[in-house]
Amino acid sequence: AQKVTQAQTEISVVEKEDVTLDCVYETRDTTYYLFWYKQPPSGELVFLIRRNSFDEQNEISGRYSWNFQKSTSSFNFTIKASQVVDSAVYFCALSEALSFGNEKLTFGTGTRLTIIP
Amino acid sequence: KAGVTQTPRYLIKTRGQQVTLSCSPISGHRSVSWYQQTPGQGLQFLFEYFSETQRNKGNFPGRFSGRQFSNSRSEMNVSTLELGDSALYLCASSISGSHRETQYFGPGTRLLVL
Repeated sequence: AQKVTQAQTEISVVEKEDVTLDCVYETRDTTYYLFWYKQPPSGELVFLIRRNSFDEQNEISGRYSWNFQKSTSSFNFTIKASQVVDSAVYFCALSEALSFGNEKLTFGTGTRLTIIP
Repeated sequence: KAGVTQTPRYLIKTRGQQVTLSCSPISGHRSVSWYQQTPGQGLQFLFEYFSETQRNKGNFPGRFSGRQFSNSRSEMNVSTLELGDSALYLCASSISGSHRETQYFGPGTRLLVL
Protein backbone atom coordinates (compact mmCIF):
# COMPACT_ATOMS: atom_id res chain seq x y z
CA ALA A 1 0.00 0.00 0.00
CA GLN A 2 1.07 3.52 -0.69
CA LYS A 3 1.66 5.94 2.11
CA VAL A 4 2.90 9.50 2.19
CA THR A 5 3.90 11.20 5.41
CA GLN A 6 4.33 14.91 5.91
CA ALA A 7 5.30 15.21 9.54
CA GLN A 8 5.31 19.00 9.56
CA THR A 9 1.75 20.15 10.07
CA GLU A 10 2.49 23.87 10.14
CA ILE A 11 5.58 25.97 9.50
CA SER A 12 6.05 29.71 9.88
CA VAL A 13 9.08 31.57 8.63
CA VAL A 14 9.97 35.18 8.15
CA GLU A 15 9.97 36.46 4.62
CA LYS A 16 13.21 35.89 2.68
CA GLU A 17 14.19 32.91 4.78
CA ASP A 18 14.64 29.51 3.14
CA VAL A 19 12.21 26.78 4.14
CA THR A 20 12.27 23.02 3.56
CA LEU A 21 9.15 20.87 3.53
CA ASP A 22 9.66 17.21 4.36
CA CYS A 23 8.02 14.22 2.71
CA VAL A 24 8.57 10.54 3.38
CA TYR A 25 6.87 7.86 1.33
CA GLU A 26 6.32 4.11 1.34
CA THR A 27 5.90 1.95 -1.69
CA ARG A 28 6.70 -1.57 -2.78
CA ASP A 29 6.96 -0.61 -6.41
CA THR A 30 10.21 0.18 -8.15
CA THR A 31 8.55 2.52 -10.63
CA TYR A 32 6.75 5.45 -9.15
CA TYR A 33 6.43 9.20 -9.39
CA LEU A 34 6.52 11.85 -6.72
CA PHE A 35 4.87 15.24 -6.87
CA TRP A 36 4.59 18.45 -4.95
CA TYR A 37 1.43 20.53 -5.18
CA LYS A 38 0.59 23.89 -3.65
CA GLN A 39 -2.89 24.81 -2.45
CA PRO A 40 -3.43 28.52 -1.87
CA PRO A 41 -6.51 29.76 0.01
CA SER A 42 -8.49 29.74 -3.23
CA GLY A 43 -8.47 25.95 -3.07
CA GLU A 44 -7.00 24.96 -6.41
CA LEU A 45 -4.14 22.47 -6.29
CA VAL A 46 -1.26 23.88 -8.30
CA PHE A 47 1.33 21.48 -9.69
CA LEU A 48 4.90 22.39 -8.75
CA ILE A 49 7.30 19.57 -9.49
CA ARG A 50 7.44 15.90 -10.50
CA ARG A 51 10.20 13.36 -10.12
CA ASN A 52 10.34 9.71 -11.21
CA SER A 53 11.89 6.95 -9.16
CA PHE A 54 14.74 6.41 -11.59
CA ASP A 55 16.03 9.92 -11.45
CA GLU A 56 17.60 10.97 -8.19
CA GLN A 57 19.22 14.03 -9.65
CA ASN A 58 18.27 16.99 -7.56
CA GLU A 59 17.43 20.16 -9.35
CA ILE A 60 16.71 23.78 -8.88
CA SER A 61 13.96 25.65 -10.66
CA GLY A 62 13.89 29.29 -9.81
CA ARG A 63 13.36 29.56 -6.07
CA TYR A 64 12.34 25.91 -5.81
CA SER A 65 14.65 22.96 -5.28
CA TRP A 66 14.10 19.39 -4.25
CA ASN A 67 16.06 16.61 -2.68
CA PHE A 68 15.02 13.09 -3.67
CA GLN A 69 16.73 10.24 -1.83
CA LYS A 70 15.54 6.71 -2.49
CA SER A 71 17.72 5.32 0.27
CA THR A 72 15.65 7.16 2.87
CA SER A 73 12.41 7.32 0.82
CA SER A 74 12.35 11.06 1.14
CA PHE A 75 11.37 13.78 -1.29
CA ASN A 76 11.95 17.13 0.37
CA PHE A 77 11.07 20.47 -1.17
CA THR A 78 12.84 23.76 -0.51
CA ILE A 79 11.71 27.28 -1.20
CA LYS A 80 14.52 29.79 -1.20
CA ALA A 81 14.08 33.44 -0.28
CA SER A 82 10.47 32.86 0.70
CA GLN A 83 7.80 35.39 -0.19
CA VAL A 84 4.40 36.11 1.29
CA VAL A 85 2.78 34.68 -1.85
CA ASP A 86 4.31 31.32 -0.96
CA SER A 87 1.91 31.05 1.97
CA ALA A 88 -0.23 27.99 1.22
CA VAL A 89 -0.69 24.35 2.05
CA TYR A 90 1.83 22.12 0.32
CA PHE A 91 1.08 18.52 -0.52
CA CYS A 92 3.45 15.74 -1.40
CA ALA A 93 1.93 12.96 -3.51
CA LEU A 94 2.92 9.51 -4.74
CA SER A 95 1.77 7.84 -7.93
CA GLU A 96 2.45 4.24 -8.81
CA ALA A 97 1.01 1.77 -11.27
CA LEU A 98 -0.61 -0.79 -9.03
CA SER A 99 -2.09 -2.44 -12.09
CA PHE A 100 -3.54 -1.36 -15.39
CA GLY A 101 -6.39 0.99 -14.73
CA ASN A 102 -5.56 1.15 -11.05
CA GLU A 103 -3.46 4.27 -10.93
CA LYS A 104 -4.09 7.13 -8.56
CA LEU A 105 -2.38 9.77 -6.52
CA THR A 106 -1.94 9.27 -2.81
CA PHE A 107 -1.50 12.53 -0.97
CA GLY A 108 0.16 13.37 2.29
CA THR A 109 -1.74 15.34 4.89
CA GLY A 110 -0.15 18.61 3.83
CA THR A 111 2.05 21.24 5.45
CA ARG A 112 0.60 24.68 6.05
CA LEU A 113 3.32 27.23 5.31
CA THR A 114 2.94 30.79 6.56
CA ILE A 115 5.38 33.45 5.45
CA ILE A 116 5.53 36.34 7.90
CA PRO A 117 6.20 39.72 6.30
CA LYS B 1 -4.59 26.30 -23.05
CA ALA B 2 -7.50 26.65 -20.67
CA GLY B 3 -7.16 24.83 -17.40
CA VAL B 4 -9.53 22.44 -15.70
CA THR B 5 -12.85 24.09 -14.94
CA GLN B 6 -15.40 23.06 -12.38
CA THR B 7 -18.96 24.21 -11.87
CA PRO B 8 -20.50 25.34 -9.70
CA ARG B 9 -17.84 26.76 -7.41
CA TYR B 10 -20.07 26.81 -4.36
CA LEU B 11 -23.14 24.84 -3.37
CA ILE B 12 -25.36 24.72 -0.33
CA LYS B 13 -27.67 21.75 0.03
CA THR B 14 -29.68 20.14 2.79
CA ARG B 15 -29.49 16.60 4.05
CA GLY B 16 -31.23 14.09 1.86
CA GLN B 17 -30.89 16.09 -1.32
CA GLN B 18 -28.73 15.12 -4.24
CA VAL B 19 -26.12 17.15 -6.06
CA THR B 20 -24.33 17.03 -9.40
CA LEU B 21 -20.91 18.57 -9.94
CA SER B 22 -19.34 19.16 -13.32
CA CYS B 23 -15.75 19.10 -14.53
CA SER B 24 -14.29 20.05 -17.90
CA PRO B 25 -10.75 18.77 -18.41
CA ILE B 26 -7.91 20.42 -20.23
CA SER B 27 -8.34 20.10 -23.97
CA GLY B 28 -6.84 16.82 -25.13
CA HIS B 29 -6.97 15.21 -21.71
CA ARG B 30 -9.08 12.08 -21.60
CA SER B 31 -8.67 11.03 -17.99
CA VAL B 32 -10.63 12.72 -15.23
CA SER B 33 -10.23 11.96 -11.55
CA TRP B 34 -12.27 13.20 -8.62
CA TYR B 35 -11.07 13.82 -5.08
CA GLN B 36 -12.79 14.80 -1.86
CA GLN B 37 -10.97 17.06 0.55
CA THR B 38 -12.06 17.48 4.16
CA PRO B 39 -10.18 18.79 7.19
CA GLY B 40 -10.45 15.44 8.92
CA GLN B 41 -9.68 13.01 6.10
CA GLY B 42 -7.53 15.13 3.83
CA LEU B 43 -7.48 14.45 0.11
CA GLN B 44 -9.17 11.21 -0.80
CA PHE B 45 -9.55 9.64 -4.21
CA LEU B 46 -13.11 9.09 -5.37
CA PHE B 47 -12.87 7.67 -8.89
CA GLU B 48 -11.24 8.01 -12.27
CA TYR B 49 -12.78 7.97 -15.72
CA PHE B 50 -11.20 7.39 -19.09
CA SER B 51 -13.01 7.12 -22.39
CA GLU B 52 -16.39 7.19 -20.66
CA THR B 53 -15.46 4.23 -18.44
CA GLN B 54 -14.78 4.19 -14.74
CA ARG B 55 -11.40 2.54 -14.35
CA ASN B 56 -10.67 3.03 -10.71
CA LYS B 57 -12.71 3.71 -7.62
CA GLY B 58 -11.83 4.77 -4.11
CA ASN B 59 -13.41 3.62 -0.90
CA PHE B 60 -16.63 5.62 -0.92
CA PRO B 61 -20.25 4.48 -0.58
CA GLY B 62 -22.44 3.92 -3.60
CA ARG B 63 -24.10 7.30 -3.04
CA PHE B 64 -21.11 8.72 -4.86
CA SER B 65 -21.22 8.10 -8.57
CA GLY B 66 -19.93 9.67 -11.72
CA ARG B 67 -19.87 9.54 -15.44
CA GLN B 68 -17.87 10.81 -18.34
CA PHE B 69 -19.12 12.03 -21.67
CA SER B 70 -17.67 11.56 -25.11
CA ASN B 71 -16.04 15.00 -24.95
CA SER B 72 -14.25 13.90 -21.74
CA ARG B 73 -16.30 16.19 -19.54
CA SER B 74 -17.25 14.48 -16.32
CA GLU B 75 -19.92 14.77 -13.71
CA MET B 76 -20.12 13.38 -10.24
CA ASN B 77 -23.30 12.87 -8.33
CA VAL B 78 -23.91 12.47 -4.64
CA SER B 79 -27.32 11.22 -3.63
CA THR B 80 -28.99 11.37 -0.23
CA LEU B 81 -26.56 13.96 1.07
CA GLU B 82 -25.21 13.66 4.59
CA LEU B 83 -23.63 16.33 6.75
CA GLY B 84 -20.29 14.57 6.37
CA ASP B 85 -20.37 15.12 2.62
CA SER B 86 -19.52 18.78 3.19
CA ALA B 87 -16.17 19.12 1.50
CA LEU B 88 -14.13 20.59 -1.31
CA TYR B 89 -14.51 18.38 -4.37
CA LEU B 90 -11.58 18.57 -6.73
CA CYS B 91 -11.40 17.35 -10.26
CA ALA B 92 -8.13 16.60 -12.03
CA SER B 93 -7.31 15.74 -15.60
CA SER B 94 -4.41 14.12 -17.38
CA ILE B 95 -3.77 12.88 -20.89
CA SER B 96 -4.40 9.19 -20.33
CA GLY B 97 -4.40 8.69 -16.58
CA SER B 98 -1.04 6.97 -16.53
CA HIS B 99 0.86 7.19 -13.27
CA ARG B 100 3.67 8.78 -15.29
CA GLU B 101 1.59 11.84 -16.03
CA THR B 102 0.93 14.92 -14.02
CA GLN B 103 -2.64 15.49 -12.93
CA TYR B 104 -3.82 19.07 -13.25
CA PHE B 105 -6.49 20.23 -10.87
CA GLY B 106 -9.45 22.52 -11.16
CA PRO B 107 -10.47 25.16 -8.60
CA GLY B 108 -12.86 22.80 -6.87
CA THR B 109 -16.50 22.91 -5.81
CA ARG B 110 -17.17 23.72 -2.17
CA LEU B 111 -20.22 21.81 -1.00
CA LEU B 112 -21.91 22.63 2.26
CA VAL B 113 -24.60 20.28 3.51
CA LEU B 114 -26.94 21.70 6.15
